[in-house]
Amino acid sequence: DAKTTQPNSMESNEEEPVHLPCNHSTISGTDYIHWYRQLPSQGPEYVIHGLTSNVNNRMASLAIAEDRKSSTLILHRATLRDAAVYYCILKAAAGNKLTFGGGTRVLVKP
Amino acid sequence: KAGVTQTPRYLIKTRGQQVTLSCSPISGHRSVSWYQQTPGQGLQFLFEYFSETQRNKGNFPGRFSGRQFSNSRSEMNVSTLELGDSALYLCASSLDSAYNQPQHFGDGTRLSIL
Repeated sequence: DAKTTQPNSMESNEEEPVHLPCNHSTISGTDYIHWYRQLPSQGPEYVIHGLTSNVNNRMASLAIAEDRKSSTLILHRATLRDAAVYYCILKAAAGNKLTFGGGTRVLVKP
Repeated sequence: KAGVTQTPRYLIKTRGQQVTLSCSPISGHRSVSWYQQTPGQGLQFLFEYFSETQRNKGNFPGRFSGRQFSNSRSEMNVSTLELGDSALYLCASSLDSAYNQPQHFGDGTRLSIL
């Protein structure tokens, strides 16, 4: 499975944007980039995914580099509820296996 | 729309026993995957079922098994429990196995082995 690299932790102030980087230099042409987050005492929650173009939804935006070797998850206005571990995952074409790395722990300060 | 339901939420067992965990996917979802989460190893993929067939398997011993019923509900079984099996077991469902489908997770079953 292709590997992703994320910073261990990041801090942000409430109502400010958060940019979470992810490096995936060994991504293959058919790998989708998925982001999940896990709040304390809950299962992971799907955030967003994309292949080549930037994507937006109600939760976040995903900016994908032109060479696809890196991506950035953008939370436009962080709230205290956004404090979680964020996982960047490359999902292969075959099957539903998600390979989780260590993720980035996001701390939001009021 | 109801989410993924896992039962029970908490379970305490002793070494050598066996355990069965249950997962009810979101209505209409046909793919169910299972994951183990521990502080040391993080989230690890166990297996995936789609239309009652195991499609994918992670790197776990044969003591870990699962099945899926015709209504897409799934169970996983762990036999001869070991202390290291203490973990949060998570179930996720998706419409199918297509690689652009998001997975929806339940809140897990926390298994403690004494």
